Amino acid sequence: NAGVTQTPKFRVLKTGQSMTLLCAQDMNHEYMYWYRQDPGMGLRLIHYSVGEGTTAKGEVPDGYNVSRLKKQNFLLGLESAAPSQTSVYFCASSFSGRFYGYTFGSGTRLTVV
Amino acid sequence: GQQLNQSPQSMFIQEGEDVSMNCTSSSIFNTWLWYKQDPGEGPVLLIALYKAGELTSNGRLTAQFGITRKDSFLNISASIPSDVGIYFCAAPTYSGAGSYQLTFGKGTKLSVIP
Repeated sequence: NAGVTQTPKFRVLKTGQSMTLLCAQDMNHEYMYWYRQDPGMGLRLIHYSVGEGTTAKGEVPDGYNVSRLKKQNFLLGLESAAPSQTSVYFCASSFSGRFYGYTFGSGTRLTVV
Repeated sequence: GQQLNQSPQSMFIQEGEDVSMNCTSSSIFNTWLWYKQDPGEGPVLLIALYKAGELTSNGRLTAQFGITRKDSFLNISASIPSDVGIYFCAAPTYSGAGSYQLTFGKGTKLSVIP
């Protein structure tokens, strides 16, 4: 099993450009999440989804949009990238949000110049 | 939102030494999780704790769920170079409509000197 796959692994954007990060999981998990990781800040939740067709805001949702059209995919979009969005982005999925912990992808390193 | 205070922020230890780190909160949790993040990778679950007072081991790692349910501890015995990484504590917080999300501590960065 591939687990959680994130594409791309690296990307450099210019300020104002848009892009979409793709997350795919093959574990039939209901829950999917997008986090960003910045030095000294830990992992902060951007958006999450508790099932196909549903999305909800996390701790730091501003400047991002998400979609979950298929159960196995969770897309994170940046409509107009800003330097403050330079970060490492992690996708995760879980069977249950409460007891089973998450399976993480290996991350996307995004630099906005 | 609920915060998890993890300490220390970073540690430099000699190979073979034991390591202790902890996570505290002002909130009560029913589950504590410990993750490790290797450089350039996503976090991986090490240990899950589901009951106050529970002590669980995974090889050289031992984690405890504090009696007050507001804290958790992780110990690594006889550290080796591959223990290098960032260790995160995490706990699920209720976000409404029957769903939970994990809140993470800011991590403890461990460096092992051979």
